[in-house]
Amino acid sequence: DAGITQSPRHKVTETGTPVTLRCHQTENHRYMYWYRQDPGHGLRLIHYSYGVKDTDKGEVSDGYSVSRSKTEDFLLTLESATSSQTSVYFCAISDGDGETQYFGPGTRLLVL
Amino acid sequence: KQEVTQIPAALSVPEGENLVLNCSFTDSAIYNLQWFRQDPGKGLTSLLLIQSSQREQTSGRLNASLDKSSGRSTLYIAASQPGDSATYLCAVRGSGSRLTFGEGTQLTVNP
Repeated sequence: DAGITQSPRHKVTETGTPVTLRCHQTENHRYMYWYRQDPGHGLRLIHYSYGVKDTDKGEVSDGYSVSRSKTEDFLLTLESATSSQTSVYFCAISDGDGETQYFGPGTRLLVL
Repeated sequence: KQEVTQIPAALSVPEGENLVLNCSFTDSAIYNLQWFRQDPGKGLTSLLLIQSSQREQTSGRLNASLDKSSGRSTLYIAASQPGDSATYLCAVRGSGSRLTFGEGTQLTVNP
């Protein structure tokens, strides 16, 4: 399995609080992605990164920001969490654009 | 906007049966298509990736085909086993680095 870890694996938070999820890889892959998975919607891309400090928006980026200061770490921040952001968040990596994506184990986030 | 549909949403078969999972997409201008497996509470595991110029890919008991012009892909699983029970997702990549996922087919293989 690709060396991808996500932290925390589970989190419960309250509406209005900031939340940061971390994705860490040991594969030195250039591309990193954040998805959310919800019933009835499948997986949807939030943001992705194509290099250190290089990021772009995905399909559902409103309310989320990302940062990538090192190749191995990609952070997803919910500036002010809302109940609609309750979801399972997956990080993925790929060696190149259009290459196979490898997924992390996911983070379950509950916003009360 | 690309839309990906997987039919059926759920499938239950006896062990040993050969089966086909279907994936259709609305925009045929794709770069590639991937099939993934997801076990309950877990992340996704990549099974097969088919480039737009390819017709099929094989890995062990799995065979994925792609008909780009008709917007269809199938995943064939031979001699199914209880360990194959999982949700199978297909995803297509169009322009840019974005994957569009279907909602998956939940497969149960009964011993």
